[in-house]
Amino acid sequence: EDQVTQSPEALRLQEGESSSLNCSYTVSGLRGLFWYRQDPGKGPEFLFTLYSAGEEKEKERLKATLTKKESFLHITAPKPEDSATYLCAPNSGGGADGLTFGKGTHLIIQP
Amino acid sequence: DVKVTQSSRYLVKRTGEKVFLECVQDMDHENMFWYRQDPGLGLRLIYFSYDVKMKEKGDIPEGYSVSREKKERFSLILESASTNQTSMYLCASSLGQGVTDTQYFGPGTRLTVL
Repeated sequence: EDQVTQSPEALRLQEGESSSLNCSYTVSGLRGLFWYRQDPGKGPEFLFTLYSAGEEKEKERLKATLTKKESFLHITAPKPEDSATYLCAPNSGGGADGLTFGKGTHLIIQP
Repeated sequence: DVKVTQSSRYLVKRTGEKVFLECVQDMDHENMFWYRQDPGLGLRLIYFSYDVKMKEKGDIPEGYSVSREKKERFSLILESASTNQTSMYLCASSLGQGVTDTQYFGPGTRLTVL
């Protein structure tokens, strides 16, 4: 059974204080790993897909990296508007495109 | 831009009522999904569909059914709503070209069953 663990559950940072969010996974035959951002009361918004170990992708202050067992979402010099819950979802391809989501990291950036 | 819309943002129903949640996507996607999201449990897949009139059970299908009569529309049905179905319901769609398709989500429907 696919398992996904995100840590920490919650993280409070000062504006400009860089940090990393972790997504550890156990899936058979990873076909891709997705990162989403979710604001309160809204649907998840797609950020990145990573396909193979060693791959990195960047978008503004966010950079996602992937190893064989985990993915990191690095946030550099965050701003208050980066406050959100960040979700990861590895895809093993079992059952069409069904995704197994982690429970997310709730990130708060204080001005 | 992909657009996934859901018929209601907020819905309040009574126990035993039949409830319909509607989802429409405008990008000719093959796959559509229904998830529910609960605090501490994350997103869980209820049902998905990879073609018109086709449906597959997800991880928690009990108490739900779905309908896909047209490619762009995917409906989630609660035959007899219960209080434990109070939740945020999220619809998603993906192109359908392979297992690494990106899923795009709608804004969600917050359902309260009294």
